[in-house]
Amino acid sequence: GESVGLHLPTLSVQEGDNSIINCAYSNSASDYFIWYKQESGKGPQFIIDIRSNMDKRQGQRVTVLLNKTVKHLSLQIAATQPGDSAVYFCAEANYGGSQGNLIFGKGTKLSVKP
Amino acid sequence: EAGVVQSPRYKIIEKKQPVAFWCNPISGHNTLYWYLQNLGQGPELLIRYENEEAVDDSQLPKDRFSAERLKGVDSTLKIQPAELGDSAVYLCASSFGKGGEAFFGQGTRLTVV
Repeated sequence: GESVGLHLPTLSVQEGDNSIINCAYSNSASDYFIWYKQESGKGPQFIIDIRSNMDKRQGQRVTVLLNKTVKHLSLQIAATQPGDSAVYFCAEANYGGSQGNLIFGKGTKLSVKP
Repeated sequence: EAGVVQSPRYKIIEKKQPVAFWCNPISGHNTLYWYLQNLGQGPELLIRYENEEAVDDSQLPKDRFSAERLKGVDSTLKIQPAELGDSAVYLCASSFGKGGEAFFGQGTRLTVV
């Protein structure tokens, strides 16, 4: 079946370095993608989203890249800080079709070393 | 403005007992979701409401799970009877219509013993 997955389950980076979290998706009909950050004991928190008619979108210290050719999504965090330590989830949806639900991947745990 | 509010935050019950979770979405958000999250996994959709209508409940185990959203605002999710495998975090989320980001509450951590 269709699924969203992550290449790396854990990622450890040094404070100040850039982080890249990757995600593969298999539903070519997905037209909306989103990254969430989840800290321990909290619900997922929106970071950034992107629609399928774009290949790049930037926020504050974060950039999402979408490569529809290889069905790949990535989240780049610039100058990673200890507060960025969390589990990051990508999710996809096909809002233009019948699938109006966000489908989540398994998550990548980001650990930032001081 | 308050975010999505869920209660209780934690619940411990014995198996075969009933349990209910409550969610108050962000004001004005007509779409409401209930997700289940197992440890180390991503959230999995249980049910999605558009106003008071359950538009997708295909993943809801209807033999023991039920949900309602009266007046298209608050929602409750019920399990009766609970099983050991139901231990998880139950997340509620809301969005303004379909097609954008969903905002999540802090979740209810259920432990069935």
